[in-house]
Amino acid sequence: LAKTTQPISMDSYEGQEVNITCSHNNIATNDYITWYQQFPSQGPRFIIQGYKTKVTNEVASLFIPADRKSSTLSLPRVSLSDTAVYYCLVGDIGGVTGGGNKLTFGTGTQLKVEL
Amino acid sequence: NAGVTQTPKFRILKIGQSMTLQCAQDMNHNYMYWYRQDPGMGLKLIYYSVGAGITDKGEVPNGYNVSRSTTEDFPLRLELAAPSQTSVYFCASSYASLQEETQYFGPGTRLLVL
Repeated sequence: LAKTTQPISMDSYEGQEVNITCSHNNIATNDYITWYQQFPSQGPRFIIQGYKTKVTNEVASLFIPADRKSSTLSLPRVSLSDTAVYYCLVGDIGGVTGGGNKLTFGTGTQLKVEL
Repeated sequence: NAGVTQTPKFRILKIGQSMTLQCAQDMNHNYMYWYRQDPGMGLKLIYYSVGAGITDKGEVPNGYNVSRSTTEDFPLRLELAAPSQTSVYFCASSYASLQEETQYFGPGTRLLVL
């Protein structure tokens, strides 16, 4: 399983764009990159997933360079409610290998958004 | 849909006691997972299942057992509770395709072993 490294914490202010970078130097060919968000006393919640280049949905964008050794989660115009822990995960999707997505969660990035 | 449900929400066990953490999903997902999360740490995979009747070990399986007799249910069994098993336990499920996989997590079960 590819190991990921991301900053322990980040601070931001409401209305700013936040970029959280994750490194995954030993990512495998079948691995996808997935980001989850976790609020205190809740289970993680899926944010976005991608394999290469750029992926955008209604809450975030995910930028993946050609070598796929890193990825950046971009949160546009954050608000106080975006204060949470963000996890970057790398693993093959169960549908590709049929073996289940055995995700490895690191300690994540604690994002704190202030007024 | 209720999504992923877990019971109980909180439990206190004495050392050596046993219990079963219940997990159910109503999304017809083929994959189900059990994680534990210690304070200030990320989640660690205990066991997972790719379908009814099929289970496999994750990163930290010692002290736990699972079964998957139906698509909907994936109970986690602790046979001899130890203080090291004090943690928050999350169950998750997913339906993987060739394009994407999203894991849906339950609200968690907080376990205290004294």
